[in-house]
Amino acid sequence: DSGVTQTPKHLITATGQRVTLRCSPRSGDLSVYWYQQSLDQGLQFLIQYYNGEERAKGNILERFSAQQFPDLHSELNLSSLELGDSALYFCASSAQAGAVGDTQYFGPGTRLTVL
Amino acid sequence: GEDVEQSLFLSVREGDSSVINCTYTDSSSTYLYWYKQEPGAGLQLLTYIFSNMDMKQDQRLTVLLNKKDKHLSLRIADTQTGDSAIYFCAEKDRGSTLGRLYFGRGTQLTVWP
Repeated sequence: DSGVTQTPKHLITATGQRVTLRCSPRSGDLSVYWYQQSLDQGLQFLIQYYNGEERAKGNILERFSAQQFPDLHSELNLSSLELGDSALYFCASSAQAGAVGDTQYFGPGTRLTVL
Repeated sequence: GEDVEQSLFLSVREGDSSVINCTYTDSSSTYLYWYKQEPGAGLQLLTYIFSNMDMKQDQRLTVLLNKKDKHLSLRIADTQTGDSAIYFCAEKDRGSTLGRLYFGRGTQLTVWP
C-alpha cells in the first residue's frame, strides 16, 4: 500500500457528462500529480500541484481541470466527456515540489468508462 | 513519438532470470525509475537509480545504467509467477526541478511455471 488513496475505484458514465475524481496524498506529501493511462497513449502526465498551487501542466485537455485543497487532497474534474476519455486515471504524491530525489508514489487509480 | 522505449513482451520460466530493457533519450535525466503494475492495480515503485551510479542492487532486483548508450535494465533473479506484471521504466523531467515522469509503454512479463 503506497499510502495514496483514490476514489472512486470505478466510474461509469455517459458522453457529455461531468465527473470528479478524488485523491488523498500520503501523509506529509505536498505534491500531487495526475496521470492518464490509456491503451493508445500509454501513461501521460496531466498536471501537478504543489502545496495548493499549480506547478506543472502536461497533456491536459481544456475540458479537464484540477485543484488541490488546503488539506492537500486533490480533485480532477473531467467535463463534456467523450468516449476517448475512457482510461485509468492515477494520482501520485511526493514529499516536495518534484526536484531531484523526490520520489512519486502512486494510488490504485480510478477506472473511468464513458459509454 | 516515445522518448522512453521498452520492448512490449517478455516470457520466462519460473526460476530463470528476467531482464527488462529500456532506452531513454535525455542525457540530463537525473533519476530513472522502475514501476510494477499488477492486473487491476496501481503502480508500485520497485526501485530507482541516480544517474551517477552504474548499478544498484536490491534483493532480487539489479538495475544497470549505461549512460553512454542511454540504456537502463532491470534484472529479476529467480523469477517467480508472482512477478508476472507490467514493468514501466520512467525518467524524471529533463533538466528542471519539475517532477513529471516520462514513462515507457511498459513490458508485460509473463512467468511460466
